Amino acid sequence: AQSVAQPEDQVNVAEGNPLTVKCTYSVSGNPYLFWYVQYPNRGLQFLLKYITGDNLVKGSYGFEAEFNKSQTSFHLKKPSALVSDSALYFCAVRAYSSASKIIFGSGTRLSIRP
Amino acid sequence: DAGVTQSPTHLIKTRGQQVTLRCSPKSGHDTVSWYQQALGQGPQFIFQYYEEEERQRGNFPDRFSGHQFPNYSSELNVNALLLGDSALYLCASSLVQGREETQYFGPGTRLLVL
Repeated sequence: AQSVAQPEDQVNVAEGNPLTVKCTYSVSGNPYLFWYVQYPNRGLQFLLKYITGDNLVKGSYGFEAEFNKSQTSFHLKKPSALVSDSALYFCAVRAYSSASKIIFGSGTRLSIRP
Repeated sequence: DAGVTQSPTHLIKTRGQQVTLRCSPKSGHDTVSWYQQALGQGPQFIFQYYEEEERQRGNFPDRFSGHQFPNYSSELNVNALLLGDSALYLCASSLVQGREETQYFGPGTRLLVL
């Protein structure tokens, strides 16, 4: 069965500092991995995805994520945080063999202080 | 280029009633997925429609049903509403291209069951 774990409910970072939001996954076969961001009272916005190829994936708004197969992790990173990055972040996984079902983590609230 | 749209934005119903939520996919997309996001949780997959048929279903009872129209828009119907059905309902659209489809989300419909 597919599953995603986001071990931190909240991450607090000072503006200008690097940030990391952690994600580990479990899936049979090759995974498709995604990061989405959700602002208050809004739907989810797609940030980036890993399908295959380079383990470092670059996405929107300066975010990037590193796929680590041995650690089954897909951590989200940004070199320099902005106050406007404060939001709820979701990691998600889909098995290669699954037609459509995406499994989401429970979310991590990112708070950037000025 | 219009993104995914959903209607209504908010809805209040009482237990036992029935509700219909609507979704129009992003231009060029042919697949619609529905998710339920309870407060403080990640989205849970309800089902996906492609070519007007349900392609995959999550762990939701038969009270949850759907439909996809020839123009690719979709409806989610929930019968015999329970208090626990109160949630944000998200629609996501995608274009099936092999197995690399990325799902783009609408703003959601917030349903409150009293």
